[in-house]
Amino acid sequence: DTGVSQNPRHKITKRGQNVTFRCDPISEHNRLYWYRQTLGQGPEFLTYFQNEAQLEKSRLLSDRFSAERPKGSFSTLEIQRTEQGDSAMYLCASSLFRASGTNSPLHFGNGTRLTVT
Amino acid sequence: AQSVTQLDSHVSVSEGTPVLLRCNYSSSYSPSLFWYVQHPNKGLQLLLKYTSAATLVKGINGFEAEFKKSETSFHLTKPSAHMSDAAEYFCVVSDRRGNKLVFGAGTILRVKS
Repeated sequence: DTGVSQNPRHKITKRGQNVTFRCDPISEHNRLYWYRQTLGQGPEFLTYFQNEAQLEKSRLLSDRFSAERPKGSFSTLEIQRTEQGDSAMYLCASSLFRASGTNSPLHFGNGTRLTVT
Repeated sequence: AQSVTQLDSHVSVSEGTPVLLRCNYSSSYSPSLFWYVQHPNKGLQLLLKYTSAATLVKGINGFEAEFKKSETSFHLTKPSAHMSDAAEYFCVVSDRRGNKLVFGAGTILRVKS
């Protein structure tokens, strides 16, 4: 399968611990996005990369959150000192941004469900 | 800023009857609009997209949506519901450059046998 892959699928952690999630995008896609989805809501944008450059971060992304895409391929999202309010589904998506300035539709992974106890 | 409002949080239909999921959008420019579907424990899947070409957009699995600028609507329809259509559906608008998607709150579709 050449879709977007996210690991782990589920993560349960205690408040105050750090967690890291990984996303492997579709190989030819140069853009990678992180979204967060809480129960009963639609996904909310967190940040996105074009190749290794982080181009935009949402106000939702507090100082405890950091995302990287060091080689322009996979990405990691780290949450430090987790809080119960961080419990959510974290979704990764990728797309191909063309030189013409058009962006292909986003392809989403199955997400990582985080539960903070 | 752009936004979408999904007018129904839950819709229930009988198998074989038409489906209508309503969405209104707000955008200061000509928008790109999408419908995504999310089945339980699965990722979001693109159903269809509108990007200023034909106003009636056909998607996968028999779904279609009509862009109506005068009504700022982008409702999703299907002539005949199948049990496998039961899922959550999201209406989505993108920012001008297609960088950031803004999702509605979702509509859960239930299909009764």
